[in-house]
Amino acid sequence: LAKTTQPISMDSYEGQEVNITCSHNNIATNDYITWYQQFPSQGPRFIIQGYKTKVTNEVASLFIPADRKSSTLSLPRVSLSDTAVYYCLVVARGGYQKVTFGTGTKLQVIP
Amino acid sequence: GAVVSQHPSWVICKSGTSVKIECRSLDFQATTMFWYRQFPKQSLMLMATSNEGSKATYEQGVEKDKFLINHASLTLSTLTVTSAHPEDSSFYICSAAPGTSGGQETQYFGPGTRLLVL
Repeated sequence: LAKTTQPISMDSYEGQEVNITCSHNNIATNDYITWYQQFPSQGPRFIIQGYKTKVTNEVASLFIPADRKSSTLSLPRVSLSDTAVYYCLVVARGGYQKVTFGTGTKLQVIP
Repeated sequence: GAVVSQHPSWVICKSGTSVKIECRSLDFQATTMFWYRQFPKQSLMLMATSNEGSKATYEQGVEKDKFLINHASLTLSTLTVTSAHPEDSSFYICSAAPGTSGGQETQYFGPGTRLLVL
């Protein structure tokens, strides 16, 4: 299982763009990069998933360089409700493979 | 979208009793489900992989006789904490992936079950 490394915490003011970077140096060819958001006492919520280059949805963008050894989750114009823990996971193709959660990044949005 | 539910959402029990937690995939079938445990201010820890129609696969350090897993159908997996003790108090979360093997299906998580053992 590929190990991921993220900053433990980040602070941001409301309305700013937030970029959270994740390192996954030993990612395998068949692995995808998936980001989840978790609020206290709730299960993780899927945000975005990608394999390479850039992926964008209505919530966030995911940037993956050519070597795929890192990825960056970009949250545009954050609000107070975006305060949560964000997890970067490396997932083997198929969805049936177990995954290992790292420490995650605690994002605190400040008014 | 893919929805995973858990029941109950919270439970309080006396030490020594057993507690069953259900995990259901509401709008898809899942041959594999996962069970996690999360202590306060910590990350999720994988406990076991639940396989429909076969025995669960437990992570190192997880007692299989204490945490009984039954994956009776393609939409239901249950976790039973037997003879619960205060140190078993935690937040239990399940996940499942829809679709067929070979694709890049995403795992979806249930809302979690808060267990408090007195």
